[in-house]
Amino acid sequence: ETGVTQTPRHLVMGMTNKKSLKCEQHLGHNAMYWYKQSAKKPLELMFVYSLEERVENNSVPSRFSPECPNSSHLFLHLHTLQPEDSALYLCASSQFDSRESEKLFFGSGTQLSVL
Amino acid sequence: DAKTTQPPSMDCAEGRAANLPCNHSTISGNEYVYWYRQIHSQGPQYIIHGLKNNETNEMASLIITEDRKSSTLILPHATLRDTAVYYCIVRVYNTDKLIFGTGTRLQVFP
Repeated sequence: ETGVTQTPRHLVMGMTNKKSLKCEQHLGHNAMYWYKQSAKKPLELMFVYSLEERVENNSVPSRFSPECPNSSHLFLHLHTLQPEDSALYLCASSQFDSRESEKLFFGSGTQLSVL
Repeated sequence: DAKTTQPPSMDCAEGRAANLPCNHSTISGNEYVYWYRQIHSQGPQYIIHGLKNNETNEMASLIITEDRKSSTLILPHATLRDTAVYYCIVRVYNTDKLIFGTGTRLQVFP
């Protein structure tokens, strides 16, 4: 148990569906992240939120829309995805502006399949 | 770019020390070296990090060469549960993002 919970663990959706991934952290951290891990590829940083403001957006297509309503919750809203978006989506949190700000705590991820 | 180079895979016998190398020849003076691991179907787990000096914690030891161009993660007594992909990461200067490479797949066998 890392203190970061992601739901759902598995998700299958069609290309016309709209769904959301949820992440919740119980560590009191002030920064949250979305990473994407495609099969046999390195983790790709998608979004970073610090103090509930988005500070990083790595050229992610607009069909992925993040939302951070407070420091404990992070969402990734999905719409009109493509089959190549099938991947493991990982959420992480850290304590920004501390000596160990890069010590990320990851959730177990949501395995997404787009049909 | 990940800025690190690691062998794609390694094997280790259970109970023996696993020594995982990492090359980071372009590292800057104030960049840290971080190690994470990812067990199958789980999120990455922080192991250890260091700047110049060798570091040790309950999970592993980190040996950084004097010129800081390479490092080695040591698992002193590998177990089957240590089978995972191990990532060596250099923090991008003045940012708070970690860039993951392809890592080393460590297989611990009985």
